[in-house]
Amino acid sequence: QVQLVQSGSELTKPGASAKVSCQASGYTFTNYAINWVRQAPGQGLEWMGWINTNTGNPTYAQGFTGRFVFSVDTSVSTAFLQISSLKAEDTAIYFCAREALVIPAAAPDYWGQGTLVTVSS
Amino acid sequence: ENVLTQSPGTLSMSPGERATLSCRASQSVSTNYLAWYQQKPGQAPRLLIYAASSRATGIPDRFSGSGSGTDFTLTISRLEPEDFAVYYCQQYGRSLTFGQGTKVEIK
Repeated sequence: QVQLVQSGSELTKPGASAKVSCQASGYTFTNYAINWVRQAPGQGLEWMGWINTNTGNPTYAQGFTGRFVFSVDTSVSTAFLQISSLKAEDTAIYFCAREALVIPAAAPDYWGQGTLVTVSS
Repeated sequence: ENVLTQSPGTLSMSPGERATLSCRASQSVSTNYLAWYQQKPGQAPRLLIYAASSRATGIPDRFSGSGSGTDFTLTISRLEPEDFAVYYCQQYGRSLTFGQGTKVEIK
């Protein structure tokens, strides 16, 4: 069965970095893009961007350039989100979600369970 | 950027009632690339509807989507206890945009 399993919660200090992983199983990894979505405490869903798992080419949404890096390791069917120079306002749950690399477009269907990143001194 | 506005913010309903949730886009949604998700506390969003009106795999037929252009609706025909949650509409395609969510709570 399709699964996206994310790494565990992280407690980090301001200025540090965090790296979230999203390991896929049950399907051909390179047939689907991975989207990253942020949810601040008690807030809605915010799209951060996506990465083409075939080419490794990332696309970042407005507000998520510079400190945010998407990458993939196709040998282990895993996508990564790295956040550098962490700020308190980066405290959130981060979700990965797969989206078929097809035309016409497809809605993201399977999601990871989410990773809580807490930034606190 | 296409802004999605959901209404109402909160819907207070009783089990067995019919719930109607609205999602209005500031610009026409191309090819009806409009999805609906359900999110319960502590869980990831779950895809309910894609392409405005197609149910995702395993979604009960009490959930239905309709609309086109800029106005879309999610209808839950008879609320079950497990349906009380937050619902988001989402535009997909070249990028993703989410509405702010509608909370369906028990009256």
